[in-house]
Amino acid sequence: DAGITQSPRHKVTETGTPVTLRCHQTENHRYMYWYRQDPGHGLRLIHYSYGVKDTDKGEVSDGYSVSRSKTEDFLLTLESATSSQTSVYFCAISEINPEGQFFGPGTRLTVL
Amino acid sequence: EDQVTQSPEALRLQEGESSSLNCSYTVSGLRGLFWYRQDPGKGPEFLFTLYSAGEEKEKERLKATLTKKESFLHITAPKPEDSATYLCAVQALRSNDYKLSFGAGTTVTVRA
Repeated sequence: DAGITQSPRHKVTETGTPVTLRCHQTENHRYMYWYRQDPGHGLRLIHYSYGVKDTDKGEVSDGYSVSRSKTEDFLLTLESATSSQTSVYFCAISEINPEGQFFGPGTRLTVL
Repeated sequence: EDQVTQSPEALRLQEGESSSLNCSYTVSGLRGLFWYRQDPGKGPEFLFTLYSAGEEKEKERLKATLTKKESFLHITAPKPEDSATYLCAVQALRSNDYKLSFGAGTTVTVRA
């Protein structure tokens, strides 16, 4: 299994509070991605990173920000959580050759 | 915009009853088509990458094929442990950051 961990694995928070999810990899892969997964929508890309301090938006980036200060860590922040951000969040990594992305175990976030 | 449509949404099979899952895609230049397996509460697990029409790949009871418009995942003589959601994703040639566009998935249930 690719060395990817996510923390926390489960979180319940209230509307309006800030939340930060962490993705940590031990594979030294260049690319890292944050997805959310909702019933009927599949996996949708939120933000991604193509190197330290290099990030860009995905298709559902509104309300989210990211940071990558080290190769191994990619943080996803919800500045002010809303109920529509209740979801399962997955981190993924890949290298330059297109052999697909490898996923972490996910974080289940509930915003009340 | 890249589009991926998977059918059926759900598939219930008897053990040993072979079947196929469909993934139709629209992409401006295909770099690769990816199949993943996802078990409940876990992250997607990489299965196959297909690069060009006519290509086939096999793994145990699974066989993936690719045409210019769709991919099939054939499950031969399935067992209960093949029960999972199967995800299809495409990567466009124009993507410099190896982003994937996912379908919503097909949930397969195999009864003993």
